[in-house]
Amino acid sequence: AQKITQTQPGMFVQEKEAVTLDCTYDTSDPSYGLFWYKQPSSGEMIFLIYQGSYDQQNATEGRYSLNFQKARKSANLVISASQLGDSAMYFCAMRETETGFQKLVFGTGTRLLVSP
Amino acid sequence: DTGVSQNPRHKITKRGQNVTFRCDPISEHNRLYWYRQTLGQGPEFLTYFQNEAQLEKSRLLSDRFSAERPKGSFSTLEIQRTEQGDSAMYLCASSLERATNEKLFFGSGTQLSVL
Repeated sequence: AQKITQTQPGMFVQEKEAVTLDCTYDTSDPSYGLFWYKQPSSGEMIFLIYQGSYDQQNATEGRYSLNFQKARKSANLVISASQLGDSAMYFCAMRETETGFQKLVFGTGTRLLVSP
Repeated sequence: DTGVSQNPRHKITKRGQNVTFRCDPISEHNRLYWYRQTLGQGPEFLTYFQNEAQLEKSRLLSDRFSAERPKGSFSTLEIQRTEQGDSAMYLCASSLERATNEKLFFGSGTQLSVL
């Protein structure tokens, strides 16, 4: 069974500082993909970054990077130089690819508040 | 290029009524997903289409829920005999089939309130 755990209900960060949002996962499949999505108050889920289980390097997309520690089954999102517009809910998600199941399983999310 | 479009944005209905939501995916995307999200939770998978074929359904999806994707383009999600527990945000997503980092693109959702 898949499981995504996000233990931080809320996080606060000052503008221009970096913040790390935690995500741990549980799967028995050797092939899987990890995703982070942002959900602002408008409701739309916005894709941020992807990490494949066989990727050798940590994924980066602009100010977003993923700290992937496979042995610990963790995939933490790092946001550098936080901006006020980063205030939103952030969801970690996983998809198992080897079994053929196509669904993404999401965690419960972390609410990030960026203060001036 | 337009993103995933969902209509209506909000729906208020009385318990026992039927409701239908529509999702228009990104035009070249062959995969379409429905998710449900309640307050304080992450999106929960409901069902998935590849082209017009419904390939997966969550066991959580009761027989009051039905989804279609005729001709592999837009999709509808119908809830019959709505219950107060059906109140949630219903999210649609689409993707283009890829071997690895297939991204889901989400719409803004339909917020359902059952009174």
